[in-house]
Amino acid sequence: GAVVSQHPSRVICKSGTSVKIECRSLDFQATTMFWYRQFPKKSLMLMATSNEGSKATYEQGVEKDKFLINHASLTLSTLTVTSAHPEDSSFYICSGTGTTGELFFGEGSRLTVL
Amino acid sequence: AQSVAQPEDQVKVAEGNPLTVKCTYSVSGNPYLFWYVQYPNRGLQFLLKYITGDNLVKGSYGFEAEFNKSQTSFHLKKPSALVSDSALYFCAVRDGPKAAGNKLTFGGGTRVLVKP
Repeated sequence: GAVVSQHPSRVICKSGTSVKIECRSLDFQATTMFWYRQFPKKSLMLMATSNEGSKATYEQGVEKDKFLINHASLTLSTLTVTSAHPEDSSFYICSGTGTTGELFFGEGSRLTVL
Repeated sequence: AQSVAQPEDQVKVAEGNPLTVKCTYSVSGNPYLFWYVQYPNRGLQFLLKYITGDNLVKGSYGFEAEFNKSQTSFHLKKPSALVSDSALYFCAVRDGPKAAGNKLTFGGGTRVLVKP
């Protein structure tokens, strides 16, 4: 299947700093990318949907100024957690879909905010 | 609105025994159903999907799932479980065609523990 590369896999940062997570589709063009957040032993919560070249659509309750999503090209989407706080610590997963509509997931990024 | 329920938080089976992970769904149109597996600190891996056609769908690693429209269920099964099948399993549904942009709704996940 298609490959989605997510980087970094783990990141530790200090409270108040910003962290950027990259999601790249390596062998297909991801017209749409989804960003999920997963709490320990919980399901995936969809945070936002981004289409290449346009603004992301955020789910209810997700702060768009807190979680900045950019999808500038068909192979790259980024999630920036701004002014991170300990409650932002979580596992973040991206997924991309192209013309077939099938979803391909990244390996996830574990964010720990001290 | 679309929703998915996985009634069991955890399923324990002995290696070599059959494994079943339950999933029921609710959609307004035709369901597009998926199963994914997640290993610790990893992303989701696709196992199988039902879009249309035969109700019994065969997927990766010996898994299969049966679509039952009358019971609105899509249970995941494996005839003989392996210790390496121990992981977190997610059922997901999409209400509509496979056009890009349609969101998946995930169930709460079922942790499978296969004992040697």
